[in-house]
Amino acid sequence: QQQVKQSPQSLIVQKGGIPIINCAYENTAFDYFPWYQQFPGKGPALLIAIRPDVSEKKEGRFTISFNKSAKQFSLHIMDSQPGDSATYFCAALNAGNNRKLIWGLGTSLAVNP
Amino acid sequence: SQTIHQWPATLVQPVGSPLSLECTVEGTSNPNLYWYRQAAGRGLQLLFYSVGIGQISSEVPQNLSASRPQDRQFILSSKKLLLSDSGFYLCAWNRGGYGYTFGSGTRLTVV
Repeated sequence: QQQVKQSPQSLIVQKGGIPIINCAYENTAFDYFPWYQQFPGKGPALLIAIRPDVSEKKEGRFTISFNKSAKQFSLHIMDSQPGDSATYFCAALNAGNNRKLIWGLGTSLAVNP
Repeated sequence: SQTIHQWPATLVQPVGSPLSLECTVEGTSNPNLYWYRQAAGRGLQLLFYSVGIGQISSEVPQNLSASRPQDRQFILSSKKLLLSDSGFYLCAWNRGGYGYTFGSGTRLTVV
């Protein structure tokens, strides 16, 4: 049973575009929602994260929008660059469940020059 | 600062051979440790996690086992590899906080 559903599976945008990746969750006990960025052959790296008590968090060109009532959150990449081409994973964590992250299946993003 | 080391980076092993992948964390104590597997172009599958020495929880039945002989050492093993064990193996840790830090991974190819 997949508890975090991520879409789209792949995404292609032109340089300067704003790719948006969406995630939906089911478990209302989740209290931490991170996004990870993974380049080929490397381990995922934490990009940005949000707690459910805020609706938006911005770090540089990356923004998380969070809709608690809809149980959805999304990642926006402003002014995307070819160097942003990577796989992005959303995840959710229930702090009371041994801090195990529940992962989305990932979105492969390609930013064309 | 905390660092996580994972080796080897790549490994090619014949079917039926044993496996031992090692992960160590520096700069912290009593971390939670995790082994993940990632098939090509796929998501992350949690294999094992450990909250302390000798404490291992298995997430999925499989041909692999894990051990934590020391506080900051996590080992993934197999007695006899299968073709289906091929993949990208990732070790990760966290402690108290929410963020996970991943190692650089081991690309295992079983031939």
